[in-house]
Amino acid sequence: NAGVTQTPKFRVLKTGQSMTLLCAQDMNHEYMYWYRQDPGMGLRLIHYSVGEGTTAKGEVPDGYNVSRLKKQNFLLGLESAAPSQTSVYFCASGPSLDGLNTEAFFGQGTRLTVV
Amino acid sequence: AQTVTQSQPEMSVQEAETVTLSCTYDTSESDYYLFWYKQPPSRQMILVIRQEAYKQQNATENRFSVNFQKAAKSFSLKISDSQLGDAAMYFCAYRQAAGNKLTFGGGTRVLVKP
Repeated sequence: NAGVTQTPKFRVLKTGQSMTLLCAQDMNHEYMYWYRQDPGMGLRLIHYSVGEGTTAKGEVPDGYNVSRLKKQNFLLGLESAAPSQTSVYFCASGPSLDGLNTEAFFGQGTRLTVV
Repeated sequence: AQTVTQSQPEMSVQEAETVTLSCTYDTSESDYYLFWYKQPPSRQMILVIRQEAYKQQNATENRFSVNFQKAAKSFSLKISDSQLGDAAMYFCAYRQAAGNKLTFGGGTRVLVKP
């Protein structure tokens, strides 16, 4: 029972490099999210998706792009990494809104350092 | 926009005693959900408890309970009979009933002293 799996778990990038974080969920959830976690600021929403082929901006979308080509996968891309993007990134997924299942399930996070 | 505030960066509790974490939020909505998540050193986000705003009864899950004051927009978490395994960051979160995004507070670190 994998739940939400993030790849990779750790990464160090040089300024200007690009990379893609992969999130995969096996719960058939409609909604998927990318958050970043910085000290004292909780988790802030970067982008999210309400279904396959759809994406939307969250609270802090600048410098990131996302794609949801398959329902189970949600990719987060950094085209040109900056030190300000050093953070821990969390992917989450959740079922469609039915008033009963409101919980979001989280991956274990990716610690990204940009030097 | 909704905001969630956790005013206590860190709380310390003796093992077997009780600690209460505060959370306040700002919203103009009448129907929403509130959550407490626990984040141990492993970084995993674990749901501790949830509360539906339309329910007046406070949610309880074993040693964890909430004090939900809708008019005051307050949602505190009480951990009773604290255990060493309760040591973690705790995040309060808000979600609109008709929305799909979680808004998080800044977190409270709980230290449990043996």
